[in-house]
Order: sequence, then C-alpha cells, then structure tokens
Amino acid sequence: DAGVTQSPTHLIKTRGQQVTLRCSPKSGHDTVSWYQQALGQGPQFIFQYYEEEERQRGNFPDRFSGHQFPNYSSELNVNALLLGDSALYLCASTKRLSNQPQHFGDGTRLSIL
Amino acid sequence: QKEVEQDPGPLSVPEGAIVSLNCTYSNSAFQYFMWYRQYSRKGPELLMYTYSSGNKEDGRFTAQVDKSSKYISLFIRDSQPSDSATYLCAMKGGGSPRGLIQGAQKLVFGQGTRLTINP
Repeated sequence: DAGVTQSPTHLIKTRGQQVTLRCSPKSGHDTVSWYQQALGQGPQFIFQYYEEEERQRGNFPDRFSGHQFPNYSSELNVNALLLGDSALYLCASTKRLSNQPQHFGDGTRLSIL
Repeated sequence: QKEVEQDPGPLSVPEGAIVSLNCTYSNSAFQYFMWYRQYSRKGPELLMYTYSSGNKEDGRFTAQVDKSSKYISLFIRDSQPSDSATYLCAMKGGGSPRGLIQGAQKLVFGQGTRLTINP
C-alpha cells in the first residue's frame, strides 16, 4: 500500500521564478493538505483541498496556489519566488469523513538562490 | 504567543533512559493530539494519535493529554539510538457532533524537539 508520494525530492530555483510541486495521496484518501517547514521549525499549514476545491487556507500570500485533480492528487504552485520560500514542502493526506490522522510524504526540499 | 509551544532542545540522553517530551497550547478548541517523529531528510511519521484527555500506550511510547492544563506529553521508555530524531507535537480542532471530522482540520505544530539517544 503506497503512502503519500511527492515529487521532485529536491529543487533549486532562483528568485522570481515559479515552481510546481506534486503530491499523490495515500490510497483511499481524498483530502490533501500542504505544509511549509522552515529549517528548525515545525510545519506551517498552507492550504487544504478536497473535492477539487481549496477548503482552508493558512497565512500565506496569494503567490501560493494549488490544485486538486479528480484522482485526488494535488499540485502546489509558488510564483515570484523569494529567498524566504526556501523550505521543505510537505504534503499530507487523510480521508475526510473519518477520524483518521493525516499521513505525510517525505517532502520536496526547495532551495532558492 | 504561539498557539503551540514546544521546547526545541536539543535533548541528549543515554540509551535506556526514559525520555519525556512536552507541549503546551493556548487554544481550548483543540480536541485531537498527535506526536510525529521526523528523521533527517524525511517527512513526519505518525507515532501517537489521541482524542481529548487521558493516556494512550503503544509499546515503549505513552502519550498523555491534560486538557485542563492545556499540556501534552510523550514518554519513551527504554530509549534506543534509533529513537534519535526530531519529535513534533501537533493538534487540531474537533468535528461534527457525530464525532466525524467534517473536513479534515488543519494541524498546528510545535517547533519540534531534537532528541539524541547516546549508545
């Protein structure tokens, strides 16, 4: 049973560029959440998708956007990259109408030069 | 003030010791409490998942929740070098009166405690 998978594992970009990160949820899960984890910090909630719509959003600017596809996979897009966007981006999935906890992928490490 | 406070450590103990990790929080709406373990260059791995106050035991791990004090703990008995990792506490609000999560609530994390078990 495949868990949450994310791609790519590592990405290097320069300031001002745009990036797209991808996530496939654990089998049977329909809800995907994205988190940003800066070095030495706990993950911070970016937003959550289910039924192909953004349902909750954390305190992140509009440069951060996302999408969920009919197969429940998801993308995180970040425009106009800043040095401060360097972080580990984590995807978590769960089954919405349940008490199941969120399971995380291993993340995409994004470095901005 | 952060919603969830966690001592970042680092914490270093000898193999076999009992480890106590703690978090405090300010939001009384939190109902579900989790502990995740995160190895270097990996994502958080769920260790314990508890609802409301009380204790839960799983092997060498025990989670305690005291909602009246807004305080949660994770105890690790007979600690092993393989337990060396960063431990993250996380919590979220409750769901509908039926107990189902109507839309998975966002997780709020502590900063994480870096733990090293020395052989």
